[in-house]
Amino acid sequence: GNSVTQMEGPVTLSEEAFLTINCTYTATGYPSLFWYVQYPGEGLQLLLKATKADDKGSNKGFEATYRKETTSFHLEKGSVQVSDSAVYFCALKGSQGNLIFGKGTKLSVKP
Amino acid sequence: GAVVSQHPSRVICKSGTSVKIECRSLDFQATTMFWYRQFPKQSLMLMATSNEGSKATYEQGVEKDKFLINHASLTLSTLTVTSAHPEDSSFYICSAREARQGRSETQYFGPGTRLLVL
Repeated sequence: GNSVTQMEGPVTLSEEAFLTINCTYTATGYPSLFWYVQYPGEGLQLLLKATKADDKGSNKGFEATYRKETTSFHLEKGSVQVSDSAVYFCALKGSQGNLIFGKGTKLSVKP
Repeated sequence: GAVVSQHPSRVICKSGTSVKIECRSLDFQATTMFWYRQFPKQSLMLMATSNEGSKATYEQGVEKDKFLINHASLTLSTLTVTSAHPEDSSFYICSAREARQGRSETQYFGPGTRLLVL
């Protein structure tokens, strides 16, 4: 069945460091892919998405490219800020319109 | 942006009692709402899909008689954990999908409800 695997955290970085959070998926066909972010005490928010192969989703300096060859959707940001500290979830769209999530990666950015 | 609320945010109950969790879309109509459950350090797992005016569709392994879902209006879905036991302690999260053409892919999530059954 469909599944998502993302790198386990926690990830701790200094401010302005480069961020990569790996995400790979197993799916039938080419489902839409998403990154959600959960800030402390808040609900999940859509960060970015890509609906087809080679699409690049971007938002708030974060980027992820839908790579069907490697079945990956890695999240990157060139220079992280303290305010980026959160839990990041990679997800794909299931057949019912639901989301299938990875386990989440907690990011802590130190000043 | 679209906002989804959940109530209560945290609840502690005794074993054997029932707990109702509400999920509301505050500024949009949602034909579909999803209920997820999250265990510590685990992913969100889909429990059921709730469509307004019809019965919920439960995922394999989720007891429909234990987790009662009602989606009576386009802005409200409820999850009732009946005869709760300590193993039902978890973080329950709902999401709502906007019922507007072209917006069907975006899901908006509630902040979650922490349930602790003693």
